[in-house]
Amino acid sequence: ETGVTQSPTHLIKTRGQQVTLRCSSQSGHNTVSWYQQALGQGPQFIFQYYREEENGRGNFPPRFSGLQFPNYSSELNVNALELDDSALYLCASSFSRTGGELFFGEGSRLTVL
Amino acid sequence: KQEVTQIPAALSVPEGENLVLNCSFTDSAIYNLQWFRQDPGKGLTSLLLIQSSQREQTSGRLNASLDKSSGRSTLYIAASQPGDSATYLCGLIQGAQKLVFGQGTRLTINP
Repeated sequence: ETGVTQSPTHLIKTRGQQVTLRCSSQSGHNTVSWYQQALGQGPQFIFQYYREEENGRGNFPPRFSGLQFPNYSSELNVNALELDDSALYLCASSFSRTGGELFFGEGSRLTVL
Repeated sequence: KQEVTQIPAALSVPEGENLVLNCSFTDSAIYNLQWFRQDPGKGLTSLLLIQSSQREQTSGRLNASLDKSSGRSTLYIAASQPGDSATYLCGLIQGAQKLVFGQGTRLTINP
């Protein structure tokens, strides 16, 4: 059974650019969530996808968008990057929309210069 | 709005000690509570999941309790080891699998 995998592990962008982060969910999991973790802080919920539909969103602007594919993998897209977008982006998968255990990937470290 | 607080923010103890990490929350309407560890620059590793109907869960040297009425959870680590050094995060699951996290407790176990 493979766990949650994320790519790329590290990347550097400049302000105003766009970035796409990818996540493969754990086998059998149909729900994917994305979190942003700034240095020294707890992760903040961005949004969740269930069966290719957005199923909940945190307090993030529309330039943060996502997709979930039929194989339940997911993408996080961020447009018009700002310096404050520098963070560790974490993907989590679960087999339930509500109440089940969440499993996280190793994250993608984004640095915006 | 759910607020989660973890105290202490940092803790340093000698190897072999038993220790307790605390997590408090303001809204008892939760589905579950999950404890994680995070090594520097890494992702989150799930340690224990306590469903809202449960009072505690155990895995090896770890024991987590949940008291919804008082808005508290504790993570007990027995016979601590240097490999336990990490940041420990509690996360509350509220609807749509949204986890609300505390800021974590940074634990250092000294050999």
